[in-house]
Amino acid sequence: QSVLTQSPSSSGTPGQRVTISCSGSRSNIGSNIVIWYQHLPGMAPKVVIYNNDQRPSGVPDRFSGSKSGTSASLAISGLQPDDEGDYYCSAWDATLYGPVFGGGTKLTVL
Amino acid sequence: QVQLQASGPGLVKPAETLSLTCSVSGSSISRGYFWGWIRQPPGQGLEWVGSVRPDGATLSGASLYNSSLASRLVISIDRSKNQFSLRLTSVTAADTAVYYCVRGRHEYAARPVDFSVWGLGTMVSVSS
Repeated sequence: QSVLTQSPSSSGTPGQRVTISCSGSRSNIGSNIVIWYQHLPGMAPKVVIYNNDQRPSGVPDRFSGSKSGTSASLAISGLQPDDEGDYYCSAWDATLYGPVFGGGTKLTVL
Repeated sequence: QVQLQASGPGLVKPAETLSLTCSVSGSSISRGYFWGWIRQPPGQGLEWVGSVRPDGATLSGASLYNSSLASRLVISIDRSKNQFSLRLTSVTAADTAVYYCVRGRHEYAARPVDFSVWGLGTMVSVSS
Protein backbone atom coordinates (compact mmCIF):
# COMPACT_ATOMS: atom_id res chain seq x y z
CA GLN A 1 0.00 0.00 0.00
CA SER A 2 1.45 3.33 -1.12
CA VAL A 3 1.92 6.24 1.27
CA LEU A 4 0.50 8.77 -1.21
CA THR A 5 -2.94 8.15 -2.70
CA GLN A 6 -3.72 8.44 -6.40
CA SER A 7 -6.70 7.35 -8.46
CA PRO A 8 -5.74 4.16 -10.33
CA SER A 9 -6.85 5.42 -13.71
CA SER A 10 -7.76 8.46 -15.77
CA SER A 11 -8.64 8.97 -19.40
CA GLY A 12 -9.26 11.62 -21.99
CA THR A 13 -9.50 12.22 -25.70
CA PRO A 14 -6.84 13.98 -27.77
CA GLY A 15 -6.84 17.71 -27.12
CA GLN A 16 -8.62 17.42 -23.78
CA ARG A 17 -7.31 18.53 -20.40
CA VAL A 18 -6.97 15.94 -17.66
CA THR A 19 -6.04 16.30 -14.02
CA ILE A 20 -4.39 13.67 -11.86
CA SER A 21 -4.60 14.11 -8.12
CA CYS A 22 -2.38 12.98 -5.27
CA SER A 23 -3.25 12.99 -1.60
CA GLY A 24 -0.85 12.77 1.31
CA SER A 25 -0.36 14.04 4.83
CA ARG A 26 1.41 16.75 6.81
CA SER A 27 4.58 14.69 7.03
CA ASN A 28 5.01 14.50 3.25
CA ILE A 29 3.08 16.72 0.83
CA GLY A 30 2.05 19.07 3.63
CA SER A 31 5.64 20.01 4.42
CA ASN A 32 7.74 19.11 1.38
CA ILE A 33 7.89 19.64 -2.37
CA VAL A 34 6.03 17.37 -4.77
CA ILE A 35 7.52 15.68 -7.82
CA TRP A 36 5.62 14.05 -10.67
CA TYR A 37 7.11 11.23 -12.74
CA GLN A 38 5.91 10.02 -16.12
CA HIS A 39 6.48 6.35 -16.95
CA LEU A 40 5.81 5.48 -20.58
CA PRO A 41 5.73 1.85 -21.74
CA GLY A 42 9.20 0.44 -22.30
CA MET A 43 10.97 3.54 -21.06
CA ALA A 44 12.59 4.71 -17.86
CA PRO A 45 10.50 7.01 -15.66
CA LYS A 46 11.23 10.71 -16.03
CA VAL A 47 10.43 13.86 -14.08
CA VAL A 48 7.74 16.04 -15.63
CA ILE A 49 7.20 18.34 -12.61
CA TYR A 50 9.55 19.13 -9.69
CA ASN A 51 9.36 21.64 -6.83
CA ASN A 52 5.52 21.39 -6.97
CA ASP A 53 5.11 23.31 -10.22
CA GLN A 54 8.41 23.51 -12.10
CA ARG A 55 9.00 21.86 -15.44
CA PRO A 56 12.41 20.45 -16.40
CA SER A 57 13.78 21.66 -19.71
CA GLY A 58 12.31 19.66 -22.54
CA VAL A 59 8.95 19.02 -20.85
CA PRO A 60 6.21 20.82 -22.78
CA ASP A 61 4.21 23.54 -21.06
CA ARG A 62 1.12 21.35 -21.51
CA PHE A 63 2.21 19.82 -18.20
CA SER A 64 1.58 21.84 -15.04
CA GLY A 65 1.61 21.09 -11.33
CA SER A 66 0.06 22.57 -8.24
CA LYS A 67 -0.08 21.90 -4.52
CA SER A 68 -2.48 22.89 -1.79
CA GLY A 69 -2.16 21.70 1.78
CA THR A 70 -1.67 17.94 1.74
CA SER A 71 -2.77 17.43 -1.87
CA ALA A 72 -1.20 17.98 -5.25
CA SER A 73 -2.34 17.83 -8.85
CA LEU A 74 -0.82 17.28 -12.26
CA ALA A 75 -2.67 18.77 -15.20
CA ILE A 76 -2.05 17.81 -18.80
CA SER A 77 -3.67 20.02 -21.42
CA GLY A 78 -3.88 19.37 -25.16
CA LEU A 79 -3.73 15.63 -24.46
CA GLN A 80 -1.72 13.63 -27.00
CA PRO A 81 -1.57 9.87 -27.66
CA ASP A 82 2.11 9.89 -26.60
CA ASP A 83 1.03 11.00 -23.11
CA GLU A 84 -0.47 7.57 -22.46
CA GLY A 85 1.31 5.90 -19.57
CA ASP A 86 1.62 5.86 -15.79
CA TYR A 87 2.07 8.95 -13.65
CA TYR A 88 3.43 8.91 -10.09
CA CYS A 89 3.53 11.62 -7.46
CA SER A 90 6.30 11.69 -4.87
CA ALA A 91 7.41 13.72 -1.87
CA TRP A 92 9.89 13.48 0.96
CA ASP A 93 8.33 12.07 4.14
CA ALA A 94 9.69 13.55 7.34
CA THR A 95 8.41 10.70 9.51
CA LEU A 96 9.63 7.82 7.34
CA TYR A 97 12.73 9.85 6.44
CA GLY A 98 12.74 8.99 2.77
CA PRO A 99 10.94 9.75 -0.48
CA VAL A 100 7.48 8.19 -0.80
CA PHE A 101 5.38 7.59 -3.88
CA GLY A 102 1.78 7.28 -4.94
CA GLY A 103 0.46 4.06 -6.38
CA GLY A 104 0.39 5.56 -9.84
CA THR A 105 -2.36 6.69 -12.20
CA LYS A 106 -2.70 4.96 -15.54
CA LEU A 107 -3.60 7.57 -18.14
CA THR A 108 -5.39 6.32 -21.24
CA VAL A 109 -5.80 8.49 -24.32
CA LEU A 110 -8.99 7.33 -25.99
CA GLN B 1 24.46 12.37 -21.08
CA VAL B 2 24.35 10.30 -17.92
CA GLN B 3 23.21 6.71 -18.38
CA LEU B 4 22.58 3.97 -15.85
CA GLN B 5 22.49 0.25 -16.59
CA ALA B 6 21.43 -2.30 -13.98
CA SER B 7 22.55 -5.90 -14.14
CA GLY B 8 22.19 -9.02 -12.06
CA PRO B 9 20.42 -12.37 -11.82
CA GLY B 10 16.77 -12.39 -12.77
CA LEU B 11 15.92 -15.18 -10.34
CA VAL B 12 16.84 -15.53 -6.68
CA LYS B 13 15.78 -18.26 -4.27
CA PRO B 14 13.92 -17.40 -1.06
CA ALA B 15 16.20 -16.72 1.93
CA GLU B 16 19.15 -16.04 -0.37
CA THR B 17 20.85 -12.72 -1.21
CA LEU B 18 19.82 -10.45 -4.08
CA SER B 19 22.77 -8.64 -5.64
CA LEU B 20 22.50 -6.01 -8.37
CA THR B 21 25.05 -3.69 -9.94
CA CYS B 22 24.45 -0.38 -11.69
CA SER B 23 27.03 0.80 -14.20
CA VAL B 24 27.28 4.56 -14.64
CA SER B 25 28.38 6.25 -17.85
CA GLY B 26 28.62 9.95 -18.64
CA SER B 27 29.34 10.99 -15.05
CA SER B 28 31.81 10.20 -12.32
CA ILE B 29 30.20 8.36 -9.46
CA SER B 30 32.50 10.26 -7.11
CA ARG B 31 30.57 13.50 -7.66
CA GLY B 32 28.24 14.67 -4.92
CA TYR B 33 25.02 13.11 -6.17
CA PHE B 34 22.86 10.54 -4.42
CA TRP B 35 22.96 7.21 -6.24
CA GLY B 36 20.47 4.50 -5.37
CA TRP B 37 17.64 2.13 -6.11
CA ILE B 38 13.88 2.29 -6.52
CA ARG B 39 11.77 -0.81 -7.07
CA GLN B 40 8.32 -1.61 -8.42
CA PRO B 41 6.62 -4.88 -7.47
CA PRO B 42 4.33 -6.33 -10.16
CA GLY B 43 1.08 -4.38 -10.37
CA GLN B 44 2.13 -1.96 -7.64
CA GLY B 45 3.62 1.50 -7.30
CA LEU B 46 7.18 2.68 -6.87
CA GLU B 47 9.10 2.13 -3.64
CA TRP B 48 12.35 3.84 -2.69
CA VAL B 49 14.91 1.26 -1.59
CA GLY B 50 17.86 3.42 -0.59
CA SER B 51 20.47 5.96 -1.68
CA VAL B 52 24.13 6.68 -1.02
CA ARG B 53 26.22 9.80 -1.57
CA PRO B 54 29.87 8.96 -2.18
CA ASP B 55 31.37 12.06 -0.61
CA GLY B 56 29.55 11.39 2.64
CA ALA B 57 29.28 15.08 3.42
CA THR B 58 25.55 15.20 4.14
CA LEU B 59 23.60 16.25 7.18
CA SER B 60 22.27 12.73 7.58
CA GLY B 61 25.31 10.68 6.66
CA ALA B 62 26.43 8.98 3.49
CA SER B 63 23.72 6.30 3.22
CA LEU B 64 19.97 6.45 3.57
CA TYR B 65 17.85 3.31 3.46
CA ASN B 66 14.13 2.61 3.50
CA SER B 67 13.53 1.74 7.14
CA SER B 68 11.51 -1.33 6.17
CA LEU B 69 14.56 -2.77 4.36
CA ALA B 70 17.47 -1.32 6.34
CA SER B 71 18.22 -4.45 8.38
CA ARG B 72 18.74 -6.47 5.17
CA LEU B 73 20.18 -3.86 2.85
CA VAL B 74 23.57 -2.52 1.85
CA ILE B 75 24.23 -0.11 -1.02
CA SER B 76 27.89 0.34 -1.85
CA ILE B 77 30.03 2.33 -4.25
CA ASP B 78 32.92 1.07 -6.41
CA ARG B 79 34.74 4.20 -7.58
CA SER B 80 37.30 2.23 -9.62
CA LYS B 81 34.55 0.72 -11.77
CA ASN B 82 32.20 3.72 -11.66
CA GLN B 83 29.48 1.44 -10.35
CA PHE B 84 27.25 1.07 -7.34
CA SER B 85 25.65 -2.06 -6.01
CA LEU B 86 22.69 -3.30 -4.00
CA ARG B 87 22.81 -6.27 -1.66
CA LEU B 88 19.55 -7.43 -0.08
CA THR B 89 19.71 -10.47 2.19
CA SER B 90 17.07 -13.00 3.24
CA VAL B 91 14.78 -12.25 0.32
CA THR B 92 11.16 -13.33 0.11
CA ALA B 93 8.52 -13.22 -2.62
CA ALA B 94 7.73 -9.68 -1.46
CA ASP B 95 11.09 -8.59 -2.87
CA THR B 96 10.05 -9.59 -6.39
CA ALA B 97 10.11 -6.37 -8.41
CA VAL B 98 11.61 -4.37 -11.23
CA TYR B 99 14.65 -2.65 -9.71
CA TYR B 100 15.65 0.74 -11.12
CA CYS B 101 18.99 2.39 -10.45
CA VAL B 102 18.66 6.14 -10.10
CA ARG B 103 20.60 9.37 -9.55
CA GLY B 104 19.41 12.29 -7.49
CA ARG B 105 18.52 15.57 -9.15
CA HIS B 106 20.78 18.00 -7.31
CA GLU B 107 24.47 17.68 -6.64
CA TYR B 108 25.30 18.09 -2.94
CA ALA B 109 21.68 17.68 -1.92
CA ALA B 110 21.21 16.92 1.77
CA ARG B 111 18.55 14.31 1.03
CA PRO B 112 17.58 12.14 -1.98
CA VAL B 113 14.31 13.96 -2.59
CA ASP B 114 13.93 13.42 -6.32
CA PHE B 115 15.61 11.51 -9.13
CA SER B 116 16.41 12.95 -12.54
CA VAL B 117 18.28 9.98 -14.06
CA TRP B 118 16.82 6.48 -14.19
CA GLY B 119 18.00 3.24 -15.71
CA LEU B 120 15.59 1.03 -17.61
CA GLY B 121 15.20 -1.38 -14.72
CA THR B 122 15.85 -5.06 -14.25
CA MET B 123 13.27 -7.62 -13.19
CA VAL B 124 14.14 -9.80 -10.22
CA SER B 125 11.92 -12.70 -9.20
CA VAL B 126 12.22 -14.48 -5.88
CA SER B 127 11.12 -18.07 -6.29
CA SER B 128 12.32 -21.57 -5.56
